[in-house]
Amino acid sequence: QVLLEVSGPGLVKPSQTLSLTCAISGDSVSSNSAIWNWIRQSPSRGLEWLGRTYYTSDWYRNYALSMRGRITISPDTSKNQFSLQLNSVSPEDTAVYYCAREGHGDFGIEYWGQGALVTVSS
Amino acid sequence: QAVLTQPASLSASPGAPASLTCTLPSGINVGTYKINWYQQKPGSPPQFLLRYKSDSDKQQGSGVPSRFSGSKDASANAGILLISGLQSEDEADYYCMIWHNDAHVFGTGTKVTVL
Repeated sequence: QVLLEVSGPGLVKPSQTLSLTCAISGDSVSSNSAIWNWIRQSPSRGLEWLGRTYYTSDWYRNYALSMRGRITISPDTSKNQFSLQLNSVSPEDTAVYYCAREGHGDFGIEYWGQGALVTVSS
Repeated sequence: QAVLTQPASLSASPGAPASLTCTLPSGINVGTYKINWYQQKPGSPPQFLLRYKSDSDKQQGSGVPSRFSGSKDASANAGILLISGLQSEDEADYYCMIWHNDAHVFGTGTKVTVL
């Protein structure tokens, strides 16, 4: 069974960088059959997909159009985890952030971590 | 960015069927998409229920009761989650999701209340 655990600061100041890590157990970040996603949820914006990374002979990334220029998702094979960095945050970035796994070819996400609330406030 | 439209709320009695719709915008043909459905209870992440493209291309989530099933209404350009025989534990928020233009797109969500 795949387990995902998000960790990182719960409070970030406006204009700073939000950084979160998703630790994976029961699977490998380098697996050819898995794709690793970041998603967030807020009352005002609902569920919002941010981006994903995966490995198939090389590392690939897809980012939501609304996030491009501010987001970086990176794998860390030594720790079997992947990370999210979101630059220049504002209070609108306050949300519960989830990491999640989808299978290649599934076109859907099946495993979700518990999520972490990140508040952007001075 | 595409928006998947779901009714904000639905109420039904225990044992009654519940049909939740997920309407795709015009220009996006529901027939070509796998529709994912999720259940979310307060304080928990969404849980995968099922994925449906057609009767020959569908997947039930692990441990998900068979009273949850998927279908489509091509005339309405919508995906449908059918709960056949509501139970009190089905009270939750439900979301649909598709992969469109290199992005996962979520629905607006339906809050299901079991009367």
